[in-house]
Amino acid sequence: DAKTTQPNSMESNEEEPVHLPCNHSTISGTDYIHWYRQLPSQGPEYVIHGLTSNVNNRMASLAIAEDRKSSTLILHRATLRDAAVYYCILRDGEEGGGADGLTFGKGTHLIIQP
Amino acid sequence: EPEVTQTPSHQVTQMGQEVILRCVPISNHLYFYWYRQILGQKVEFLVSFYNNEISEKSEIFDDQFSVERPDGSNFTLKIRSTKLEDSAMYFCASSGTALAKNIQYFGAGTRLSVL
Repeated sequence: DAKTTQPNSMESNEEEPVHLPCNHSTISGTDYIHWYRQLPSQGPEYVIHGLTSNVNNRMASLAIAEDRKSSTLILHRATLRDAAVYYCILRDGEEGGGADGLTFGKGTHLIIQP
Repeated sequence: EPEVTQTPSHQVTQMGQEVILRCVPISNHLYFYWYRQILGQKVEFLVSFYNNEISEKSEIFDDQFSVERPDGSNFTLKIRSTKLEDSAMYFCASSGTALAKNIQYFGAGTRLSVL
């Protein structure tokens, strides 16, 4: 998996939007941007993924820069349950290309203040 | 919603003992994985399993580790002779098809404590 860079931690207030950045300047043309999160004492959980266009699902939105060298995971209205470590992972091809195992970095520890 | 189930949630063992960690993947999934996370460190890939054989393994997955799918529902990780450094959270995951490997569904994990 190609390298990504994320801030170690971020803090936000409950019910406010959260923008989690990820830099991936060496992304290749076939790399998809995946986001997972890990709630306290839980296993990682898939959040969202995309290639070029912005993506929305029930959990979050993914905004991808035009040059694809960075992306932002957007939580529109953070709750206390969104406090977790968020991982940005590049994967070769949407459907199964590249290695089987996901490569997790240190991620961003998101703290939500009530 | 279907989920990956792992048992036990916490396993305590003595150094040198064998342990078996159990997982029930999502029922129609075809790819199965084990990961571990030492306290305070990153989640690390151990092994993937498809079509009743190991598909890929990391350097961590040495001869003391083995995996098995003994029946149509369970997926197990065996550590033959545990060491202190095997103490970690072990996560099982599954994904639906080879075309969707990148969306993996994880269990809540088994905490292994080696004394």
